Amino acid sequence: GAVVSQHPSRVICKSGTSVKIECRSLDFQATTMFWYRQFPKQSLMLMATSNEGSKATYEQGVEKDKFLINHASLTLSTLTVTSAHPEDSSFYICSARERVAGVRRNEQFFGPGTRLTVL
Amino acid sequence: QKEVEQNSGPLSVPEGAIASLNCTYSDRGSQSFFWYRQYSGKSPELIMFIYSNGDKEDGRFTAQLNKASQYVSLLIRDSQPSDSATYLCAAKTSYDKVIFGPGTSLSVIP
Repeated sequence: GAVVSQHPSRVICKSGTSVKIECRSLDFQATTMFWYRQFPKQSLMLMATSNEGSKATYEQGVEKDKFLINHASLTLSTLTVTSAHPEDSSFYICSARERVAGVRRNEQFFGPGTRLTVL
Repeated sequence: QKEVEQNSGPLSVPEGAIASLNCTYSDRGSQSFFWYRQYSGKSPELIMFIYSNGDKEDGRFTAQLNKASQYVSLLIRDSQPSDSATYLCAAKTSYDKVIFGPGTSLSVIP
């Protein structure tokens, strides 16, 4: 299956700092990537949809100025949590949809996730 | 009404038994359905996808889809302790968004 990587896997930061998380599709082109957040014992919550070369689409209730998304290439999307606070501590997971021969597939492949802890 | 619903469980089955996981969805226009497995502290991994009514088998896993009833299920035959995880059902809606259910926790007892 398609491989998606995330970096870093774990980050601890002080309140008020910004944290950047990278999501890469390693062996395929991903014109669309998704960013999810998951709190303990809860389901995945879609934060935003990232399209290569265009602005991200944010879900209702997600602050676009706080969670900056950049999808600069067909294999890389980044999520920057600006001015992080303890309530932003969560498991952040990206996923990507593969495009094969110009056709976008429906399956999403997930990265390993980034566990963010804000002190 | 939530768009994708699952029984949160926990569902406990003895080793070697069949585990049956169920999911319903509200958007009748949904065409693609997915089952993911998530171990504690890890990200989800795709187990199966199904697009057509009926059954789809892959090894010990069988996905079943009934669009008329808006119902998707996953059967795990010969359940193993390593199958213990949370299983997420997902549906690609008519507005091109994949919505995940809350997940069902499965515990396979040795």
